[in-house]
Amino acid sequence: QQPVQSPQAVILREGEDAVINCSSSKALYSVHWYRQKHGEAPVFLMILLKGGEQKGHEKISASFNEKKQQSSLYLTASQLSYSGTYFCGTEILPGGYQKVTFGTGTKLQVIP
Amino acid sequence: EAGVAQSPRYKIIEKRQSVAFWCNPISGHATLYWYQQILGQGPKLLIQFQNNGVVDDSQLPKDRFSAERLKGVDSTLKIQPAKLEDSAVYLCASSQGSKRDLTDTQYFGPGTRLTVL
Repeated sequence: QQPVQSPQAVILREGEDAVINCSSSKALYSVHWYRQKHGEAPVFLMILLKGGEQKGHEKISASFNEKKQQSSLYLTASQLSYSGTYFCGTEILPGGYQKVTFGTGTKLQVIP
Repeated sequence: EAGVAQSPRYKIIEKRQSVAFWCNPISGHATLYWYQQILGQGPKLLIQFQNNGVVDDSQLPKDRFSAERLKGVDSTLKIQPAKLEDSAVYLCASSQGSKRDLTDTQYFGPGTRLTVL
C-alpha cells in the first residue's frame, strides 16, 4: 500500500518552517525520508523505527507516531537548498529483507 | 567511496524496440534495487536482489521486463518490447543488506531517463 503524503506542494520563503506528513493505512514498522532535487537521484535523509522516536538532520527533523500510522518531517528556518521533492518510504513488516514503498512525494520550493 | 553508477543516462527508442540499462552498485553492497519513477510520482520497486538472487519481483511486468545480477555485483534491466507507458526514469539503488539491518540505507544512482516514442 502506497503511503499518502500531504501537502502535495508547498512554497516557502527563506527562513519559514514547513511540515510534510506521510500516512499509511497499515501499521508501520519504519519510515524513511528522502529528498530528490530536479533531475537528480533521491538522497537519504533519515530513517525512523517503530517506537515513536524523533530524529534530526541539520535543521530537518522527523517524528513517527505508530498509533496514527504516520510520520511528519519538520523543516525549520528553510534554506534555498531545501528545495526539492520529499518522499517518504514506509515498511509495513520487518521481513527478511528491507522492502520500502515510496509515497507520491511533496514538492517543496523555497524562494528568497 | 564511489556511488552507484548507471548507464546510459538518457535513451530514446521507438515502441516495440528493446532497451537495456546497466547498474554498478556501491562496492560490497549485497542488495540491489531497480525502481521505475514516472514523472511526478514516487519510485516504484520493480525488482530487488540479495546478492545474485531475487527476493522480490512482484511488481515487475515479466512479459516484457527482465533483470539479472550475475556474480552478485552489477546488474542489467531489459525491456523488450517497449511500450509508450514505459517512459520513465529507471533508478538503481543499493544497500549493504548483508544481514537484516534495521537502519540499512538505500543509495540511489543518477538514473536512466527513458523516452519511448
